[in-house]
Amino acid sequence: SQTIHQWPATLVQPVGSPLSLECTVEGTSNPNLYWYRQAAGRGLQLLFYSVGIGQISSEVPQNLSASRPQDRQFILSSKKLLLSDSGFYLCAWATGQSNEQYFGPGTRLTVT
Amino acid sequence: RKEVEQDPGPFNVPEGATVAFNCTYSNSASQSFFWYRQDCRKEPKLLMSVYSSGNEDGRFTAQLNRASQYISLLIRDSKLSDSATYLCVVNGGGYQKVTFGIGTKLQVIP
Repeated sequence: SQTIHQWPATLVQPVGSPLSLECTVEGTSNPNLYWYRQAAGRGLQLLFYSVGIGQISSEVPQNLSASRPQDRQFILSSKKLLLSDSGFYLCAWATGQSNEQYFGPGTRLTVT
Repeated sequence: RKEVEQDPGPFNVPEGATVAFNCTYSNSASQSFFWYRQDCRKEPKLLMSVYSSGNEDGRFTAQLNRASQYISLLIRDSKLSDSATYLCVVNGGGYQKVTFGIGTKLQVIP
């Protein structure tokens, strides 16, 4: 069966510090991968998606970036965090045309 | 008009009640539809896909009305464990066209 891992679970970082969040998927090949952010009291915002190694599409221009160095690894990064980057970051995977997405446990980021 | 609209609630219902949520979408070319459940401070979990013919899973029934561009979720015989936020998801076509509603919060009261 497929599983998706994210770490760390929680993170407190000062403004201006770098960020690296990692997501890995097991039990499937060539998944579509997604990064979302959910701010307090708001819906999920799609940040990046990837249909293959090295293929990244950005949905929202901002100070975040994403990379997919391996088929089942998706990384979210920032060189300098802003207060507005605080939120719940969720990685998801999907296969096939139906696009049913399955989420990892998420990382709760607080920028201070 | 927002791409996907949901009443954020909260809906407070007694145990055993039947409750229904609607979700409207603006893109008439939308291809697939889903309901997710999200518990407080947890990740969303797929509850069910919504098919044109409607589908049922135990106490949960989902329906699609393409003419009026909405999907619905009906929960019968509500349990305390059904308390959560229910997210409507619409795929407008393409990997980047998946849009999540803000969710409807359900609180089932003893």
